[in-house]
Amino acid sequence: AQKVTQAQTEISVVEKEDVTLDCVYETRDTTYYLFWYKQPPSGELVFLIRRNSFDEQNEISGRYSWNFQKSTSSFNFTITASQVVDSAVYFCALSEGLQGAQKLVFGQGTRLTINP
Amino acid sequence: DVKVTQSSRYLVKRTGEKVFLECVQDMDHENMFWYRQDPGLGLRLIYFSYDVKMKEKGDIPEGYSVSREKKERFSLILESASTNQTSMYLCASSQQGENSPLHFGNGTRLTVT
Repeated sequence: AQKVTQAQTEISVVEKEDVTLDCVYETRDTTYYLFWYKQPPSGELVFLIRRNSFDEQNEISGRYSWNFQKSTSSFNFTITASQVVDSAVYFCALSEGLQGAQKLVFGQGTRLTINP
Repeated sequence: DVKVTQSSRYLVKRTGEKVFLECVQDMDHENMFWYRQDPGLGLRLIYFSYDVKMKEKGDIPEGYSVSREKKERFSLILESASTNQTSMYLCASSQQGENSPLHFGNGTRLTVT
């Protein structure tokens, strides 16, 4: 069965620090997708990134970077030089297969607080 | 931009009431979903739909039903609300195929007293 674990319930750092959010997943499928979503205080989850199981290249987008390692079943998310606007709850999610309406399995979420 | 609109931001209902949560999307997406979000549990899938009049159970469908009479609208129904259904309910939509990202509404915080 699919499972996503975000072991860090809450993280609090001072602005400009780097911070890494951990995500570990379990799946029996060889074809799957991994996602990260951000939920700011307004409540609406915002899509950040999607990665398929065939692409282990790390990705960088501005201050955000993602480290995908199949060997450890992890898909960690790093924010460099954090800012107060990065404060949110972050969710990692997993879906299996390639077609159709994907059923995402979400982790428990990590509440990130960036203090000025 | 995709817009997913949930009709109520906050809702307070009594135990035993029939409750309707409405969700509308404006991007002609085939797929629509209802999740509930609870502290420490993340998001859990209640029901989803691939197309009009089609519905599939998610991981926690008990106590809920859904209706999709039009492509843009997906309703979640609590037949007889109970206190353990107090939660944040999130609607989402996505395009068919290739694991397209989900687009979420702002959520409805339902309190059952």
